[in-house]
Amino acid sequence: ELKVEQNPLFLSMQEEKNYTIYCNYSTTSDRLYWYRQDPGKSLESLFVLLSNGAVKQEGRLMASLDTKARLSTLHITAAVHDLSATYFCAVLTSGTYKYIFGTGTRLKVLA
Amino acid sequence: IAGITQAPTSQILAAGRRMTLRCTQDMRHNAMYWYRQDLGLGLRLIHYSNTAGTTGKGEVPDGYSVSRANTDDFPLTLASAVPSQTSVYFCASSQQVSSYNEQFFGPGTRLTVL
Repeated sequence: ELKVEQNPLFLSMQEEKNYTIYCNYSTTSDRLYWYRQDPGKSLESLFVLLSNGAVKQEGRLMASLDTKARLSTLHITAAVHDLSATYFCAVLTSGTYKYIFGTGTRLKVLA
Repeated sequence: IAGITQAPTSQILAAGRRMTLRCTQDMRHNAMYWYRQDLGLGLRLIHYSNTAGTTGKGEVPDGYSVSRANTDDFPLTLASAVPSQTSVYFCASSQQVSSYNEQFFGPGTRLTVL
């Protein structure tokens, strides 16, 4: 059974600090995705990582993928309050159209 | 319509009643999905459809059914609602023939079963 685990589940951090969210998955995957969800809202796509060593950056967020370690990271640089949200990683299982989501990391950036 | 729409936005339902959640997309995506989101459990796949006319079961299909009569619509039916089906339901779609296979999500339906 494919499992996707994120840690930490909850992260409270001060502005201007750096931190990393980890996403581990248990089996081969073709694709890895990062989403953002604001309270009471839907999910917004942040990054799509297609291959081993892929790195993508948007503003203060940078995502990377290591398919050999089955690990993706979402790095936050110099956090600001606007980044407060819940972040999900998701894996597209090989040979299927099924996506499995992690349980999410709730990020709170304190002013 | 732009993207994915869901209806209703929210609903309170008595246990035992039948309910259909509607989902429509205008992006001509071939694949569509239904998820439920519960606190501490992330998103769990209920049912999916790779293309019109086909459906498949996800992680938590029991108590739910779907149909895919055409490309745009993917309704989710609860035949006899139970309180454990209280959740936020998200519909999503993706274009599976593309290299990204990125999912796009609807705004969600908040369902309460009493």
